Amino acid sequence: EAGVAQSPRYKIIEKRQSVAFWCNPISGHATLYWYQQILGQGPKLLIQFQNNGVVDDSQLPKDRFSAERLKGVDSTLKIQPAKLEDSAVYLCASTQTRMNTEAFFGQGTRLTVV
Amino acid sequence: DQQVKQNSPSLSVQEGRISILNCDYTNSMFDYFLWYKKYPAEGPTFLISISSIKDKNEDGRFTVFLNKSAKHLSLHIVPSQPGDSAVYFCAARINAGNMLTFGGGTRLMVKP
Repeated sequence: EAGVAQSPRYKIIEKRQSVAFWCNPISGHATLYWYQQILGQGPKLLIQFQNNGVVDDSQLPKDRFSAERLKGVDSTLKIQPAKLEDSAVYLCASTQTRMNTEAFFGQGTRLTVV
Repeated sequence: DQQVKQNSPSLSVQEGRISILNCDYTNSMFDYFLWYKKYPAEGPTFLISISSIKDKNEDGRFTVFLNKSAKHLSLHIVPSQPGDSAVYFCAARINAGNMLTFGGGTRLMVKP
């Protein structure tokens, strides 16, 4: 079974630039999550999708962050414009259904904003 | 407000000995707790979980204990192996379908 795929692995951008991350969850997994992990902290949920609908985006800074999962499979997370404090690892995770709690994580995208 | 806390940022243990990682939480509504393990440059991987209706769950060398009255859980690894060296995250959720809240992690180093 292929795992959660994320790209790119690393990204360095200047502040005020925009950036996008891509995630392809495990085949058949209906629920997809984007987490932000700042160095030295635990992952923090940004947004949760159930198929192509948003379940929870209460912690997504909507003035600069956006995410979509148009066809209910892969997803993109965008930051525009980026700030220095957005430097973090962005993790994508998926579960088969919302009722499953043991999420499978991708390797993450390490973003550095300079 | 950090609802899940791991107060020890790091722990060093000798190979073969017991590793005990601790986690405290503040929200009494949490009903399910998980431990994840993370190696450098990889995503977290699920290790073991426990429901709030239990006080212990065991899986091989890994045992999780839950003390609801103290709002405390711990992960025991016996015996510890060098391959266990990683960052361990405690996580909790309120009700099925809800998001996980993670602690800040504890870096475990098992010395040969």
